[in-house]
Amino acid sequence: GAVVSQHPSWVICKSGTSVKIECRSLDFQATTMFWYRQFPKQSLMLMATSNEGSKATYEQGVEKDKFLINHASLTLSTLTVTSAHPEDSSFYICSARDYVGQGRGSPLHFGNGTRLTVT
Amino acid sequence: QQPVQSPQAVILREGEDAVINCSSSKALYSVHWYRQKHGEAPVFLMILLKGGEQKGHEKISASFNEKKQQSSLYLTASQLSYSGTYFCGTEGREFGNEKLTFGTGTRLTIIP
Repeated sequence: GAVVSQHPSWVICKSGTSVKIECRSLDFQATTMFWYRQFPKQSLMLMATSNEGSKATYEQGVEKDKFLINHASLTLSTLTVTSAHPEDSSFYICSARDYVGQGRGSPLHFGNGTRLTVT
Repeated sequence: QQPVQSPQAVILREGEDAVINCSSSKALYSVHWYRQKHGEAPVFLMILLKGGEQKGHEKISASFNEKKQQSSLYLTASQLSYSGTYFCGTEGREFGNEKLTFGTGTRLTIIP
């Protein structure tokens, strides 16, 4: 159980275009999802917390107008990288908790990640 | 504040033991441990919730010192499959804070 599906696995786009990444919880409802970004040989850095039915909470230094997050249902959150530039090339990973009977202190379930390359 | 892990990297021969440390500057509610293989998503290993708690998962175990805001991951009789980068993740004690902050990472290489 607790499977998170992320799509696409990889994407190559031209500078200036936008890219949408989807994150779905397949067998549980996720009121909260977390979006991380990971540069090569570095740690996972939290970009934002996605809340179903409300605005996302962005971490300090993350441009909310550039990284648009929409969490329209209990099983789907999307991250749109707008006007992508080569420095946005990275590994983007979403994660969620299965809150039924759990909350803080429960494990994060990760999607398989999306490798974005901006040329 | 990102938790600091030590060592940054370690190379072991198969069968040897290793200890990975995670230290936070903030009061902690819990510590998680994950392993990530190259190009893949992190895989959950275990969570520690109480100060003094120790947990085990096959030959991998961990401890949590709440007062020192530290956790250690112990790998015994390492196997080739243990290779990867290990991250601790911490949850702070602030009310309503459910986000997980990952540590700096420890790259573990097991050689035959």
